[in-house]
Amino acid sequence: KQEVTQIPAALSVPEGENLVLNCSFTDSAIYNLQWFRQDPGKGLTSLLLIQSSQREQTSGRLNASLDKSSGRSTLYIAASQPGDSATYLCAVVGNTPLVFGKGTRLSVIA
Amino acid sequence: DAGVIQSPRHEVTEMGQEVTLRCKPISGHDYLFWYRQTMMRGLELLIYFNNNVPIDDSGMPEDRFSAKMPNASFSTLKIQPSEPRDSAVYFCASSSRTGGLVGNTIYFGEGSWLTVV
Repeated sequence: KQEVTQIPAALSVPEGENLVLNCSFTDSAIYNLQWFRQDPGKGLTSLLLIQSSQREQTSGRLNASLDKSSGRSTLYIAASQPGDSATYLCAVVGNTPLVFGKGTRLSVIA
Repeated sequence: DAGVIQSPRHEVTEMGQEVTLRCKPISGHDYLFWYRQTMMRGLELLIYFNNNVPIDDSGMPEDRFSAKMPNASFSTLKIQPSEPRDSAVYFCASSSRTGGLVGNTIYFGEGSWLTVV
């Protein structure tokens, strides 16, 4: 059974700092990995999708990497801003639909 | 597009009452998912449909939970009778057919916040 783990569970950083969020999964037989953002009281917004054949995806200040063989992904946020404060979740698609980690709650302090 | 629409957004009900949550997926999407989110367990897949047909309901916790999708634009998740441990946020999500589950972004509604007292 696929399990997804995210470390750390919470993170607080000063504005402007570059940061890395980590995601690991137990079954490397995945089709893709997605990173989502969730604001309090809201649904999930997809940030980046990495196909299993890809190594990374970039969108603006966000860069996500995937190492399928080691079961790891990272989300890199450059020059963090207070507006980046949210919970970030990663999820993998394998033989079943999206399996989610529990997320990293990020606070960017102005 | 209006996105995935869920109702009600918030519901408080007494233990033993029936709860019905509703979802309208994005037009043209033929996969629909119901997830439940709690602090302890995170996001869990309850059931998903393809072309209105339930594909996998192994995540439905008990027989008290049931889901239907009578047509491509509507789905319900019902809890009868409800219990306090059912208190959670229930999300509906949809995605399009191309590539099936592979490589397609999934779109989430804003959730139905259920409290059973």
